[in-house]
Amino acid sequence: DGGITQSPKYLFRKEGQNVTLSCEQNLNHDAMYWYRQDPGQGLRLIYYSQIVNDFQKGDIAEGYSVSREKKESFPLTVTSAQKNPTAFYLCASSTDRRREKLFFGSGTQLSVL
Amino acid sequence: RKEVEQDPGPFNVPEGATVAFNCTYSNSASQSFFWYRQDCRKEPKLLMSVYSSGNEDGRFTAQLNRASQYISLLIRDSKLSDSATYLCVVNPNQAGTALIFGKGTTLSVSS
Repeated sequence: DGGITQSPKYLFRKEGQNVTLSCEQNLNHDAMYWYRQDPGQGLRLIYYSQIVNDFQKGDIAEGYSVSREKKESFPLTVTSAQKNPTAFYLCASSTDRRREKLFFGSGTQLSVL
Repeated sequence: RKEVEQDPGPFNVPEGATVAFNCTYSNSASQSFFWYRQDCRKEPKLLMSVYSSGNEDGRFTAQLNRASQYISLLIRDSKLSDSATYLCVVNPNQAGTALIFGKGTTLSVSS
């Protein structure tokens, strides 16, 4: 079955540590996105990529980095510069440039030890 | 004015009730509108798109009022399984931007 796979489901970060969240899709979608969701808040865009080897900052990119070396993969690294990383992270993809219908992975809950 | 605003609720209704959610958006150039459903700690899923003429999908009806810049979602004959958070989503139709999500409206249907 086609879909988006995020891993791990739960992740714990120590102070000063970089961690990487995985996102893989086999839907053959060009565009991929990373969102952050805090309790009681809407989704906020971190980074997005419309094609391989290209990505753009979203509204809250500081403290995060991404790569898009393959169409299927869009990993997100939460760096030590992100001082408040505890949140629910959602990866999504879409099939068209208008980005109107998003398909989401099941999310990764990141917590700080 | 926030870009996409929703009443956070919660809306607590009994089974069988009719409930309506509204959402306002600030960018008059926005072209496309959607409702997504999100269950607790799960990923959002597209519920329905919102068209200018209004559209219906079973018990769900979505409407758009461009003049007043709001969209609505009506749920008839509420079921326990409708309990979730409903996210209003707007495509601002601007280069270099992505979809804008509201904070969501929480619905709790009780027996």
